[in-house]
Amino acid sequence: EAQVTQNPRYLITVTGKKLTVTCSQNMNHEYMSWYRQDPGLGLRQIYYSMNVEVTDKGDVPEGYKVSRKEKRNFPLILESPSPNQTSLYFCASSSGQGEGTEAFFGQGTRLTVV
Amino acid sequence: AQSVAQPEDQVNVAEGNPLTVKCTYSVSGNPYLFWYVQYPNRGLQFLLKYITGDNLVKGSYGFEAEFNKSQTSFHLKKPSALVSDSALYFCAVRDIGYSSASKIIFGSGTRLSIRP
Repeated sequence: EAQVTQNPRYLITVTGKKLTVTCSQNMNHEYMSWYRQDPGLGLRQIYYSMNVEVTDKGDVPEGYKVSRKEKRNFPLILESPSPNQTSLYFCASSSGQGEGTEAFFGQGTRLTVV
Repeated sequence: AQSVAQPEDQVNVAEGNPLTVKCTYSVSGNPYLFWYVQYPNRGLQFLLKYITGDNLVKGSYGFEAEFNKSQTSFHLKKPSALVSDSALYFCAVRDIGYSSASKIIFGSGTRLSIRP
């Protein structure tokens, strides 16, 4: 089954404690991205990757890091989480940069930073 | 700058009645438009898209959307609403940036509530 898998689904952590949210897709997609969803703001892009070892900032990259060492994986790293990073996070993938291709989303990771 | 707007935070419809969820967009070139649905505790699911061709696009679960270039709108519609259609709906446009990177810009979402 074609899917994007995120882990963990739920995470509560303390300020400053480094964490990683994993994302993996099994569709051989080149393009992957991370979004955060906040009430009234829709989804805002954090980082994206057009292929292995190619990553770039989205609209709200501050406080986040990513890496793309393998095509299927795109982890999101919070080196020193802060309460304003409490949010719902989604990983997405799509095939190439074609404008007409739709994105496939993971089920989300609800992060709470206290 | 490219953008998409969903003017209604919430839409309430009685089961069996037609529904419309509104979306307007602003792009510099040709728009590539999408609708996604988010059910509780789930990720976003693709519903339908407009790339080119017929202005009326049909998608999953009986939904359709009408592309109107003169009004820069892409409203989501369904002739007869079901309680199971209750969810959060996002309109999105694909943005072609100067770096040639392609990303999706989402609206703020519209919560659709269907009452029995």
